[in-house]
Amino acid sequence: QSALTQPASVSGSPGQSITISCTGTSSDVGNSNLVSWYQQHPGKAPKLMIYEVSKRPSGVSNRFSGSKSGNTASLTISGLQAEDEADFYCCSYTGSSTYVFGTGTKVTVL
Amino acid sequence: QLQLQESGPGLVKPSETLSLTCTVSGGSISSSNYYWGWIRQPPGKGLEWIGNIYYNGNRYNNPSLKSRVTISVDTSKNEFSLKLSSVTAADTAVYFCASLYCSPSMCAGNRGWFDPWGQGTLVTVSS
Repeated sequence: QSALTQPASVSGSPGQSITISCTGTSSDVGNSNLVSWYQQHPGKAPKLMIYEVSKRPSGVSNRFSGSKSGNTASLTISGLQAEDEADFYCCSYTGSSTYVFGTGTKVTVL
Repeated sequence: QLQLQESGPGLVKPSETLSLTCTVSGGSISSSNYYWGWIRQPPGKGLEWIGNIYYNGNRYNNPSLKSRVTISVDTSKNEFSLKLSSVTAADTAVYFCASLYCSPSMCAGNRGWFDPWGQGTLVTVSS
């Protein structure tokens, strides 16, 4: 199984909105509602930010939102803040009952 | 609140077997709402799913790692373990354990999302 494709980096100024894409195939993202997103600060464990494409866990800011269209899922961060600077990974359940992660996106707050 | 903690050797020789344990606290490893998984991250690279196991022994592995992976669960100790055989330098990575939450209708198929994660442990493969 190949990793899902994410842009290597995305940047924005404080207060702006950015969107990270996550492109897979009809065997994973395109055929699954189990797409999740994780934030990872340097040297730390990943933290769940979005599950089931667009649901936010308790405690996660509503500035984070998720969506999906076809084989591409997206994570949008609105009102960008300095603390949002981190790596972000998408993850999808696949038709083979396995999981595949995205290549990762470094978010930089200018 | 679930907490997970990895433990095991930080250095393994090439061709040997990497062995790690994840201790679960704040909840029971026999919970029907969780699978227990391993994910790794080579230095400076992305995340790779290794495999998941349910308390009853049902397991799912990444086909790319083929038969090198063995994941087991010990309900008496509230912990689960990873063994990766015939390691090479390419297996050098931070290894995370994580819980995969599954709602009752999804648990039969290893379906859920990873939350929370352990802090991770670096394993280096070198002679």
